[in-house]
Amino acid sequence: DADVTQTPRNRITKTGKRIMLECSQTKGHDRMYWYRQDPGLGLRLIYYSFDVKDINKGEISDGYSVSRQAQAKFSLSLESAIPNQTALYFCATSDPSAGSVNEQFFGPGTRLTVL
Amino acid sequence: SQQGEEDPQALSIQEGENATMNCSYKTSINNLQWYRQNSGRGLVHLILIRSNEREKHSGRLRVTLDTSKKSSSLLITASRAADTASYFCATPLGGGSNYKLTFGKGTLLTVNP
Repeated sequence: DADVTQTPRNRITKTGKRIMLECSQTKGHDRMYWYRQDPGLGLRLIYYSFDVKDINKGEISDGYSVSRQAQAKFSLSLESAIPNQTALYFCATSDPSAGSVNEQFFGPGTRLTVL
Repeated sequence: SQQGEEDPQALSIQEGENATMNCSYKTSINNLQWYRQNSGRGLVHLILIRSNEREKHSGRLRVTLDTSKKSSSLLITASRAADTASYFCATPLGGGSNYKLTFGKGTLLTVNP
């Protein structure tokens, strides 16, 4: 079974709709991250959470919000989707007990299309 | 803003050849990581090199780090068609030892059978 799962894997929605992307992990990691990937732009950090009570904005948080429901769950919401939020979204986790080694473990991604 | 940047953007080679891709970064770091991404899938960690290391090996992978030039290279020896993927370098965001990463735009490697 995958350690980091994302749902849905694909989603097509319309401008103005509220969308929630979910991420669950069984790795027991405290740290979780949301990224978006656009062709030719690499990955950009949207939000990150170092534990259930700690939520931080990343590089491109405008238009997004997150919720850390439990250590294992981190959701990303688009309150009112717009076409330029069409992208591939990834959730990732890392283990703070690894010290300065910040290897991240990625989910399979959610392909979101906003029409 | 992105800290690391890979070069070349795309690389096409024949099976059995070696593939070298480079990463340049802007500020001091205490480690640098390389990840692989198969088309449309999640990234997979390949190897990490610390700032006090100059070279590291893992199977067919060889990574070098030159902190004076702020650059790293990833060499894949005896490439296989299954190595076809995008490769990203990742460095701590802000250049320090905090636990966020910034990724470059990647090198798309195509290995032709």
